[in-house]
Amino acid sequence: DTAVSQTPKYLVTQMGNDKSIKCEQNLGHDTMYWYKQDSKKFLKIMFSYNNKELIINETVPNRFSPKSPDKAHLNLHINSLELGDSAVYFCASSLPLAATYNEQFFGPGTRLTVL
Amino acid sequence: SQELEQSPQSLIVQEGKNLTINCTSSKTLYGLYWYKQKYGEGLIFLMMLQKGGEEKSHEKITAKLDEKKQQSSLHITASQPSHAGIYLCGADLDSNYQLIWGAGTKLIIKP
Repeated sequence: DTAVSQTPKYLVTQMGNDKSIKCEQNLGHDTMYWYKQDSKKFLKIMFSYNNKELIINETVPNRFSPKSPDKAHLNLHINSLELGDSAVYFCASSLPLAATYNEQFFGPGTRLTVL
Repeated sequence: SQELEQSPQSLIVQEGKNLTINCTSSKTLYGLYWYKQKYGEGLIFLMMLQKGGEEKSHEKITAKLDEKKQQSSLHITASQPSHAGIYLCGADLDSNYQLIWGAGTKLIIKP
C-alpha cells in the first residue's frame, strides 16, 4: 500500500565505497525526484525525472548518478562516497512538472552515514 | 486508513484572513515537521515540534503540537500572497528519523 518506498532505510558505509538507494512509487506518476536533507532541514532537490528522462539536475557532484529503469523507479547511485555525503535522502513523485502546484508524495527517507 | 491525516486538502483564503491547517496522527508523535513547498526548489523547512507538547512561531506562522490529541496545527495570521503554496507535515511515529508524510494542503490566497 505504500505510495513511495525507499530502500534501504539505513545505510552505513565506508568512505570511498559505491552505494545505491532505490525508490519505487505505485501512484502511476510520471515525475520522480531525489532530495537531500541538509543540516537546516531544507530538502534540497538534486534530480528530477519525467517519464524516465532527466528534467532537473541541480549542482551536485557527478559522483551522484540517478537511474530510472522505468517510470515507477528512480534509483540513486553514489560513487566514491565522502563524509559530506552523510545525510537523509528523500525520494518523491508527482504528476508532470507542467502543473503550477504539482503536489509531491514523499518516501520515508534513507539515512546515509559515511564513516 | 492513513497514519497521518492532513486537512483541509485545499484552502482558499482572502488576503488578510487567518487560517489553520491540521495534521492528525493515528499513533504517538515523536516529532512533527512542517514544510512549505516552493515550486521547483524543494521543500522549505518551517518548524519542528517535538514530543511533549510544544508551540513555535516564526513571523506570522505558529505551529502547535497537542500530545493528547496526537495532532499538530499550523496557524497563519493575516495571510499574505507569499503564504500561498503547498504545506506538508511529516511525522516521526517511531522515534527514528524516518518520516510519514501527510497528503499536503494547497493554500491559495485571494487578493
